[in-house]
Amino acid sequence: QVQLVQSGAEVKKPGASVRVSCKASGYGLTDHFMHWVRQAPGQGLQWLGRINPNSTETNFAQNFQGRVTMTRDTSINTATMELTRLTNADTAVYYCATSMLGASGGAFDLWGRGTLVIVSS
Amino acid sequence: SYDLTQPPSVSVSPGQTAIITCSGHKLGDKFVSWYVQKPGQSPALVIYEDTKRPSGIPERFSGSNSGNTATLTISGPQALDEGDYYCQAWGSSAVVFGGGTKLTVL
Repeated sequence: QVQLVQSGAEVKKPGASVRVSCKASGYGLTDHFMHWVRQAPGQGLQWLGRINPNSTETNFAQNFQGRVTMTRDTSINTATMELTRLTNADTAVYYCATSMLGASGGAFDLWGRGTLVIVSS
Repeated sequence: SYDLTQPPSVSVSPGQTAIITCSGHKLGDKFVSWYVQKPGQSPALVIYEDTKRPSGIPERFSGSNSGNTATLTISGPQALDEGDYYCQAWGSSAVVFGGGTKLTVL
């Protein structure tokens, strides 16, 4: 069964960092770009960036430049997103997503279930 | 930065047609995808490359994209189609989502 399995919820203090992992199951991680998207409570979807698991090349949204890192470990078929210098505004559900369709323009047809990150003092 | 604009809400009766718009500068030059998100769930793709339906998406879902506006049309929406709908495209080397439209089937 093709799926993305994400790590569990996290509670962090302001200023800390958080790492969220996303294990690809049923397909090879290097087959498709991995994207990260977040959703603050009651808000819409916001793209953080993507990683090419083949080359490790990354592209980040301007809002997160300098604060986000995306890596992958092909030995365990897992992608990881790290966000640093957390503030309350980073409280959100973080999703990994990919396009198995190979379509142009995004088309994320496979999503993880999301990881809730709460930033609170 | 590139912005996509959606109406906050759309209400429709089951026998009608639901139309959700997504506006952006020269959006017709880009490929647009549409997602539906139901409470407590991850988004799900319903349209990609402007007009294509992924496997398992009913034929009542269709899309178009021209000029500055992309449109998601749901013909004869059902109660199970209620949810938040998001458009998405690539703009300025980044993935961009619209703000979302809450669809209510009365």
